[in-house]
Amino acid sequence: GQQLNQSPQSMFIQEGEDVSMNCTSSSIFNTWLWYKQDPGEGPVLLIALYKAGELTSNGRLTAQFGITRKDSFLNISASIPSDVGIYFCAGQLSNDYKLSFGAGTTVTVRA
Amino acid sequence: DSGVTQTPKHLITATGQRVTLRCSPRSGDLSVYWYQQSLDQGLQFLIQYYNGEERAKGNILERFSAQQFPDLHSELNLSSLELGDSALYFCASSVANAGSEAFFGQGTRLTVV
Repeated sequence: GQQLNQSPQSMFIQEGEDVSMNCTSSSIFNTWLWYKQDPGEGPVLLIALYKAGELTSNGRLTAQFGITRKDSFLNISASIPSDVGIYFCAGQLSNDYKLSFGAGTTVTVRA
Repeated sequence: DSGVTQTPKHLITATGQRVTLRCSPRSGDLSVYWYQQSLDQGLQFLIQYYNGEERAKGNILERFSAQQFPDLHSELNLSSLELGDSALYFCASSVANAGSEAFFGQGTRLTVV
């Protein structure tokens, strides 16, 4: 399958900080999605991106579809304790049906 | 609640056995995806169905099979189970064949003993 490189692998952040994570690929993607997964739960869709350059917000979350269509980033502003979890990027090629996932970024918030 | 329903939520079975995991997609969604997530692992794509037809296949073992029925629910069959098959199995659904948002169920936690 397509390799999505997600970084950082983990991060410890201070409550109130802004944080950023990103995903890159060697292939061009048609769709980028960002998910959050809490322990023992299914991933929950946060943001969906469909056009190169698109910048979309969902509350304190902002994500962008890279201009080259090979990357995407997710920002969390003013982090709070409930932001703890694993964040996954996912991408879909224009000529492919499956959704490929990055390895995830584990976020831990220090109160 | 994503609208995707997976049953059972937990399953404990012995090595060598066969189990069936069930998924009901969101109303109106035609596409169903199956993923495996082992401990501390990411989401590994297994297989995708669209409107009853297989559309994409990932690293799915030959011991595993799936199908999507006319009412669009899907089943994942796991046979000759091994200890290493213990994992969370997720189903996701989307409205289109490709390029649309996929919504995940709560998963089935399979433990093989």
